[in-house]
Amino acid sequence: AAGVIQSPRHLIKEKRETATLKCYPIPRHDTVYWYQQGPGQDPQFLISFYEKMQSDKGSIPDRFSAQQFSDYHSELNMSSLELGDSALYFCASSPASYNEQFFGPGTRLTVL
Amino acid sequence: SQQGEEDPQALSIQEGENATMNCSYKTSINNLQWYRQNSGRGLVHLILIRSNEREKHSGRLRVTLDTSKKSSSLLITASRAADTASYFCATDDGTSGSRLTFGEGTQLTVNP
Repeated sequence: AAGVIQSPRHLIKEKRETATLKCYPIPRHDTVYWYQQGPGQDPQFLISFYEKMQSDKGSIPDRFSAQQFSDYHSELNMSSLELGDSALYFCASSPASYNEQFFGPGTRLTVL
Repeated sequence: SQQGEEDPQALSIQEGENATMNCSYKTSINNLQWYRQNSGRGLVHLILIRSNEREKHSGRLRVTLDTSKKSSSLLITASRAADTASYFCATDDGTSGSRLTFGEGTQLTVNP
């Protein structure tokens, strides 16, 4: 069965650079979520989209933005990167709200 | 903010034994989901239990939910070395676009 695809899987950036993470949800899933997991921590919700509209916003820094496109893929744009942004970034998708969220393999971002 | 706590934080057992992990949460929920994560890798969805359900089974997994105590437990029977991973509960409170709030996780080690 198709799973959530995330790219790139690993990303190394310098401080103050920008990064773009991509997420391709499971086909026919219309809701996409982004989570951030710091080292040794539990995942924290960042933002979600339903039918290409932002549906919820969590503890996402103003330096980050995201959108969902007409083909339902989503991108998380991160600017002015800081050392503390180093983390695993997960995308998840679900066929509708209040259902199982299926996570991608994550993008490991390292900021040097 | 942290929704829940998991208990124990770490559990070490022998292959063939059962493993029980507990999760407590603070707010009312729409559903509760359990995930497994191998070291630094993706989150694998295990099971979803809705607020009107009390028990659910899937293979060697048994999940219970007690909404009066705001707690859930995950039982893994006849454990295997391959079950070694971190286990997280995550709650959907049904009010915020279905964002998941994760507990701190239990690190399970199954010794061969």
